[in-house]
Amino acid sequence: AQRVTQPEKLLSVFKGAPVELKCNYSYSGSPELFWYVQYSRQRLQLLLRHISRESIKGFTADLNKGETSFHLKKPFAQEEDSAMYYCALRGSGNTPLVFGKGTRLSVIA
Amino acid sequence: NAGVTQTPKFRVLKTGQSMTLLCAQDMNHEYMYWYRQDPGMGLRLIHYSVGEGTTAKGEVPDGYNVSRLKKQNFLLGLESAAPSQTSVYFCASRRTGWTEAFFGQGTRLTVV
Repeated sequence: AQRVTQPEKLLSVFKGAPVELKCNYSYSGSPELFWYVQYSRQRLQLLLRHISRESIKGFTADLNKGETSFHLKKPFAQEEDSAMYYCALRGSGNTPLVFGKGTRLSVIA
Repeated sequence: NAGVTQTPKFRVLKTGQSMTLLCAQDMNHEYMYWYRQDPGMGLRLIHYSVGEGTTAKGEVPDGYNVSRLKKQNFLLGLESAAPSQTSVYFCASRRTGWTEAFFGQGTRLTVV
């Protein structure tokens, strides 16, 4: 079974502080992992995918297969980072995306 | 390109009424999905389609039906709306392969 766990419902940090949004997954094979972001009252949009191994808006995420984690990190939070963040997994065979319950990030000025 | 467009954006229904949500994509994507988003529950898959004329159940299909008669459209129907179906509904699409999903802007549905 595919499962994505985001342990924090809400994460509040001060502007300029480091941010880490946690994501753990359960999947027996080799999954594809994503982070999606949803700004207030907007559609979900892709932030990162593990295959690309890129940094977007200062965010990075590394897939750790040993710990089955895909944590999202940013060294210095900005107010515009305040949003809902969803970790998502897709297994093999073109199966649908499975989402975690999301973490709301609030960056305090 | 408009991407993924959902119609309507907002709707209020009375219990027992029926309605259809339309999702249209102009990217020639094979896969289309309907999710519902509820506070504290994240996004849960209702139904999905891997191509024109095909549909499959997701995690929470009860009370919903879908159709994919044309490749670009994916319809979500509520035959007899219930207050438990009050939610924000998101449609998504993607092409085959190791690709990202693109989302619509959402439909906020309230059943009273």
